[in-house]
Amino acid sequence: NAGVIQTPRHKVTGKGQEATLWCEPISGHSAVFWYRQTIVQGLEFLTYFRNQAPIDDSGMPKERFSAQMPNQSHSTLKIQSTQPQDSAVYLCASSLAANTEVFFGKGTRLTVV
Amino acid sequence: GDQVEQSPSALSLHEGTGSALRCNFTTTMRAVQWFRKNSRGSLINLFYLASGTKENGRLKSAFDSKERYSTLHIRDAQLEDSGTYFCAAESSGSWQLIFGSGTQLTVMP
Repeated sequence: NAGVIQTPRHKVTGKGQEATLWCEPISGHSAVFWYRQTIVQGLEFLTYFRNQAPIDDSGMPKERFSAQMPNQSHSTLKIQSTQPQDSAVYLCASSLAANTEVFFGKGTRLTVV
Repeated sequence: GDQVEQSPSALSLHEGTGSALRCNFTTTMRAVQWFRKNSRGSLINLFYLASGTKENGRLKSAFDSKERYSTLHIRDAQLEDSGTYFCAAESSGSWQLIFGSGTQLTVMP
């Protein structure tokens, strides 16, 4: 079990460019989450998929951020027109089902310059 | 909104001693998880509790939903226990984990 796999581990983008982050959940896990970690805000929930369907995106910034889960083996988080304040560690997590133990990936450190 | 208050924010222990971390919740939580962030930044799962207590080696955790708190006890601390510990709780009717602000533990020789 390789755990939750996130790629890339580090990404540097110029202000205004697009960034796409990838996540491969643990095989067999039906729940997939995205979180963002910053020094100021700590760990914040962004969005949640269950069986590939978007269930709750209440933590997603309304503009420029979108997440998809085209199949059960991967999810993407896309940030359009990146801004310096988007710099953070983006964490993907999965769990066997809703409301069960959650396992996190190692994260993608996004730096917007 | 739902809040998780974690204390202390920092803790120093000498090898072989022990202490406790605590998270208080402002609302009823369904379950709690404890993590340690290792030197590489990965969140390592320590415990998942929906109630009661669990023990794993030198770590023991308790969760009381009614009293709105959870604790993580560390005994016989070792140098490799150093790191940042987070509690994270699920509130009823929600999918998301609400994280505490973390406890930075330093174990000294």
